Amino acid sequence: RKEVEQDPGPFNVPEGATVAFNCTYSNSASQSFFWYRQDCRKEPKLLMSVYSSGNEDGRFTAQLNRASQYISLLIRDSKLSDSATYLCVVNAGSYIPTFGRGTSLIVHP
Amino acid sequence: GAGVSQSPSNKVTEKGKDVELRCDPISGHTALYWYRQSLGQGLEFLIYFQGNSAPDKSGLPSDRFSAERTGGSVSTLTIQRTQQEDSAVYLCASSLRGPYEQYFGPGTRLTVT
Repeated sequence: RKEVEQDPGPFNVPEGATVAFNCTYSNSASQSFFWYRQDCRKEPKLLMSVYSSGNEDGRFTAQLNRASQYISLLIRDSKLSDSATYLCVVNAGSYIPTFGRGTSLIVHP
Repeated sequence: GAGVSQSPSNKVTEKGKDVELRCDPISGHTALYWYRQSLGQGLEFLIYFQGNSAPDKSGLPSDRFSAERTGGSVSTLTIQRTQQEDSAVYLCASSLRGPYEQYFGPGTRLTVT
C-alpha cells in the first residue's frame, strides 16, 4: 500500500457544484496534514493545513479522520479558477513529508 | 515579501554535461527542500537542509547528484554527467521550521538532450 493515495481523477464538474476529494494515508503515526494546489506547469501552493477539528477557509473545508486514516477536501460553489491538481501532504513525524500524486479537478462552464 | 526564487527557469543541456540549479529561500526560513517532478508524476524528495545541521540526502537518486547550502540561505543542486532520465522540473521549497507549511519556488525545468 502506498503511503499516501489519491484518486487521480479527473473530477469534471460544472461551475457551482460541490466536489470532495479524499486522501488516504498508511502511517497511523502521521501528525500533520496539508492540501496544496498545483496549476498546470506551476509550482505547488499551500491551500490549507488540516487540523484535527477540521477547518474551513471560505469555500474550502478540510477534515481529518484519524480512525479511517484519511483527509478530505470539500470545495463548495466551484469556480472555473478552481481547476487544478490538488495534492495532499502527510507528515509522520520525520522531516520528510510525503506528497500524494494529486487529484485533478476540471470545472467547466 | 519576496518568495522562493530559483534560477535558471529553464535549462537545456547535453547528455554528459554538469548543471547547477540555484534556490534562494524566503528570508528567515531555516528549512529548505529540493524535489523533482517528472511530467505527470508526483513530487520526488531529493534532499533536506535544516539550519546548520547535516543535510538529509536520503532522496538523492545517485552520486551524480549533490547539493549544498551556504550560510544557511542559498542552495545549489548540482547534477554531474547528466542523463536523459534527469529531465524533470526541479523544485525548491522553504519553510519556517521543518516539514510544515512549505513555500515553493517556480522551479527549474531541466531538459537533457
